[in-house]
Amino acid sequence: GESVGLHLPTLSVQEGDNSIINCAYSNSASDYFIWYKQESGKGPQFIIDIRSNMDKRQGQRVTVLLNKTVKHLSLQIAATQPGDSAVYFCAEIATGGYNKLIFGAGTRLAVHP
Amino acid sequence: DGGITQSPKYLFRKEGQNVTLSCEQNLNHDAMYWYRQDPGQGLRLIYYSQIVNDFQKGDIAEGYSVSREKKESFPLTVTSAQKNPTAFYLCASSISGFGETQYFGPGTRLLVL
Repeated sequence: GESVGLHLPTLSVQEGDNSIINCAYSNSASDYFIWYKQESGKGPQFIIDIRSNMDKRQGQRVTVLLNKTVKHLSLQIAATQPGDSAVYFCAEIATGGYNKLIFGAGTRLAVHP
Repeated sequence: DGGITQSPKYLFRKEGQNVTLSCEQNLNHDAMYWYRQDPGQGLRLIYYSQIVNDFQKGDIAEGYSVSREKKESFPLTVTSAQKNPTAFYLCASSISGFGETQYFGPGTRLLVL
């Protein structure tokens, strides 16, 4: 079936470095993608989204890149801080119908001082 | 403050007991969702409702029931038919339907005594 997956289950970075979290999707009809951050014991928090008519979208310290050719999504976090430590997961959906959001299992980001 | 609230934060269930998880939102969103999260897995959709007095089964509805009598409330009942209820339960809402960003509550952790 269609699925959203992540390349790395755990990513360790030094404080101040940039982080890149990757996500592969398999449904070529997906046209809307969301990145969420989930801290331990809490609900997922919306970070940034992107629609398929865009290749890049920037937020505060975060950038999402979408490569539709290879069905790949990435989340870049600039100057990673200890507060960025969490599980990050992407979600995809093919809008325009009764399709549901499909979530990946997540990548854990560990920021070391 | 606008947002989604879930209660209780922790819930204990005895064998054969039905328990109800509360979800309230004051975002004036039409759509609400219930997900189940197990360690190392992506979110799985239990039930969703895109309008008051209407709801649909998700991917893992067996052993669960919901109601949507008010726009702001979408309680989930975990029945005795759910044989493996221990999980983290997340409620979410969106403006209209699946094509919109979903915003999550803080979650309820259900444990079996």
